[in-house]
This record gives sequence, structure tokens and C-alpha cells, in this order.
Amino acid sequence: EAQVTQNPRYLITVTGKKLTVTCSQNMNHEYMSWYRQDPGLGLRQIYYSMNVEVTDKGDVPEGYKVSRKEKRNFPLILESPSPNQTSLYFCASRDTGSNQPQHFGDGTRLSIL
Amino acid sequence: DAKTTQPNSMESNEEEPVHLPCNHSTISGTDYIHWYRQLPSQGPEYVIHGLTSNVNNRMASLAIAEDRKSSTLILHRATLRDAAVYYCILRGGDLNYGGSQGNLIFGKGTKLSVKP
Repeated sequence: EAQVTQNPRYLITVTGKKLTVTCSQNMNHEYMSWYRQDPGLGLRQIYYSMNVEVTDKGDVPEGYKVSRKEKRNFPLILESPSPNQTSLYFCASRDTGSNQPQHFGDGTRLSIL
Repeated sequence: DAKTTQPNSMESNEEEPVHLPCNHSTISGTDYIHWYRQLPSQGPEYVIHGLTSNVNNRMASLAIAEDRKSSTLILHRATLRDAAVYYCILRGGDLNYGGSQGNLIFGKGTKLSVKP
């Protein structure tokens, strides 16, 4: 089954403790991205990647890092999490070509205390 | 990106058709109209997209006005599982897709409630 898998689904942690949210897709998509969703602000893009070793900032990249060493994986790294990064995070991927639909994971709810 | 306007919420009865409107008066000639929906506790899910002609797929139909300044997502028979937030999004038709082309600008969407 074609899917985007995120782990963990839920995480409660403390300020400053590095964490990584993994994202994997099995559709051989070149394009992957991370979004965060906050009440009243909707979904906003954090980072995106057009292919292996090619990443770029989205609209709200501060405090986040990403890497794309393999086509299927696109982890989101919070080196020193802060409470304002408490949010619901979604990973997405899509195929190349004009207007291909994006496939989203089921989300990761992060709480930074 | 051109902006879309949708009602905040709508209600429907189960097994009845639902027409979800979207206004996009500043749409450009190369903008595609995309619809996504987000069920509770899930990630957004692609529904349908179109450029000028009406489109049908297994989930829904998309009716696009002749001047393209508005469109309507049609669910032919609403089920309880269709209760979700529906987002109408314009996406540039830049065929290189590169840069931020993959970035979907999500607005607030329309929250659809379906009554049994």
C-alpha cells in the first residue's frame, strides 16, 4: 500500500532535548516536505526536498533541520526544541510532474515542555 | 499565490449531495484548482483537481465556472466518513515544479458536518 509513514505519532519531551521525527515513503517520490499545523494558523511548510541531498527552507524553518540522504526518508530534526515548537507535524511526498497530488502522513503530535 | 475564499462551515444530511463552494477571483490562467480534505486526527488527503473542465473521480466531482473565478466540489452522497475540513487551493501550473512549487498554501477551509 502506498503510504507516508511518520514516527513517532506522539511525543512529549522537554526543552533542549534533541529529537528526530522520521518520515518514510514507499512511492519512490522525489519531492518530500514537512508541515506544521497550529490552531488558527493552518498548515505551514517547514522544509522541502526536491531530491536526494537537495533541501530548502519553507515558510517557517527556524529551529528545524532536515536531511535527505536517501530518496525514501526525510527526517525532521529539532536540535534544541522549545515550547513554541509544540505542534502537529505532517510529512508529505509527491511525484514529479505538474500538479501531482501530495500524499500526507498521519501526523506527529509533539509537546515540548 | 492567488487566494481562495470558502465558507467556514457547512452541514449536510447523510446520503444527500453536498456542494462546497470556493471563490478564487484572482486566479491566473495557469493556476490549477486543487481540493484536499482533512479528516479528524489524520493528515490532509487529496480529493481532486482541475484546470478548466469539470472533473470527476471516485471521490467527488469538481465543477469549475466558465470564468474560473469560482468552483464547487460536489460529494454526490455524503456519508458520515465525509465529515472533514475541505480545503480549496490554487496551485501554479509551473511545470518545473521545482522550488516551492510543491508548497500547498492551506487556508482555513470549510468544516463539513454530516448528520445521520
